[in-house]
Amino acid sequence: NAGVTQTPKFRVLKTGQSMTLLCAQDMNHEYMYWYRQDPGMGLRLIHYSVGEGTTAKGEVPDGYNVSRLKKQNFLLGLESAAPSQTSVYFCASSYHRGGAPADTQYFGPGTRLTVL
Amino acid sequence: AQSVAQPEDQVNVAEGNPLTVKCTYSVSGNPYLFWYVQYPNRGLQFLLKYITGDNLVKGSYGFEAEFNKSQTSFHLKKPSALVSDSALYFCAVRDNYPDSNYQLIWGAGTKLIIKP
Repeated sequence: NAGVTQTPKFRVLKTGQSMTLLCAQDMNHEYMYWYRQDPGMGLRLIHYSVGEGTTAKGEVPDGYNVSRLKKQNFLLGLESAAPSQTSVYFCASSYHRGGAPADTQYFGPGTRLTVL
Repeated sequence: AQSVAQPEDQVNVAEGNPLTVKCTYSVSGNPYLFWYVQYPNRGLQFLLKYITGDNLVKGSYGFEAEFNKSQTSFHLKKPSALVSDSALYFCAVRDNYPDSNYQLIWGAGTKLIIKP
């Protein structure tokens, strides 16, 4: 199993450009997440999905959109990139059985995005 | 408000000595607690979790964590540090409000440096 994969690994954008980050998981997990990691701020949840066709806002959703058209894929879009979106982006997934209190999240290797 | 605190930005330990990385939490209801590790330029990896039962939880790579309900703490420990343990460590607690879909609340991370 590849686990959680992310593409691309690195990207440099100019202000105002758009891009899509792709996350794929092969573990048949229901839940998927997009986080951003900035120095000294830990992980902040951008958006997440509790199943195919559903998405929800996290802590810092502004400036991002997501889609979960297939269970194994979760896309993160930036419509008009800003320098404040320079960060490392991590995708994660977890398997939530009904009523289970807490399941381990599995993370991808990350995408380093720079917006000039 | 529900929160996680990692009071130390950095912990320095000599190889072979015991190590402790501190974590305290504030959450309503039963706490479900996690530790993750991030090696340089990698995604986060699950180390261990506390759901219920024995207050001492054993995890990967020889790490363990002690749940202390009265002190609302979940400190990560290892009896004998290795240079290869040098990494960024994150504590997390499950958000127990159903509206959050039980997302994880993350600490800011503690950089652990093990010196030969």
